[in-house]
Amino acid sequence: DQQVKQNSPSLSVQEGRISILNCDYTNSMFDYFLWYKKYPAEGPTFLISISSIKDKNEDGRFTVFLNKSAKHLSLHIVPSQPGDSAVYFCAASRWGGTSYGKLTFGQGTILTVHP
Amino acid sequence: GAVVSQHPSRVICKSGTSVKIECRSLDFQATTMFWYRQFPKQSLMLMATSNEGSKATYEQGVEKDKFLINHASLTLSTLTVTSAHPEDSSFYICSASGQGAADTQYFGPGTRLTVL
Repeated sequence: DQQVKQNSPSLSVQEGRISILNCDYTNSMFDYFLWYKKYPAEGPTFLISISSIKDKNEDGRFTVFLNKSAKHLSLHIVPSQPGDSAVYFCAASRWGGTSYGKLTFGQGTILTVHP
Repeated sequence: GAVVSQHPSRVICKSGTSVKIECRSLDFQATTMFWYRQFPKQSLMLMATSNEGSKATYEQGVEKDKFLINHASLTLSTLTVTSAHPEDSSFYICSASGQGAADTQYFGPGTRLTVL
């Protein structure tokens, strides 16, 4: 049961343009969402997060949007840079209950930014 | 800040042997550490959650007698793969969070295990 889904396995973008990575979830109990960036043979690096009380969070070139009614979140990177090329994972968790702090990851999207 | 290390980064072992992987939080106290595994081109799957000084909580389908987890201090957790088999070959990643499990998790660089 894939509770967090990233339906696009890959995305290719030109340098300077916007990259939009999408993520859908099915578990309505999730109330905290994160985006991680990962290079091959390395652990994920935290990028940005958002709690369910917000619909937008911005940090430099990275903005995460949350649409709770659609159970959808997206990561916008603008402008995209070649160094952004990596695998991007979205993850979801719950603040309370027995799942406290546990992260459920999507399958990842490979972003390639061309010079 | 928030650096997590893993050792070794890569290990090759014979079938039937046991392998220990260490996960350390270098600049913060990790009250909770998580162990994940990732198969090629797949997502990170949570194996277990460990809190310092208590027994680990394993996810459904993860054999606790095969994957022994010890969280002996606030900066160190170990995962021991006992009697390893080729199907245990995978990329194992730990993460750590401080001040309670709700904090952002910081990940180690991972350990590539290959069982011959």
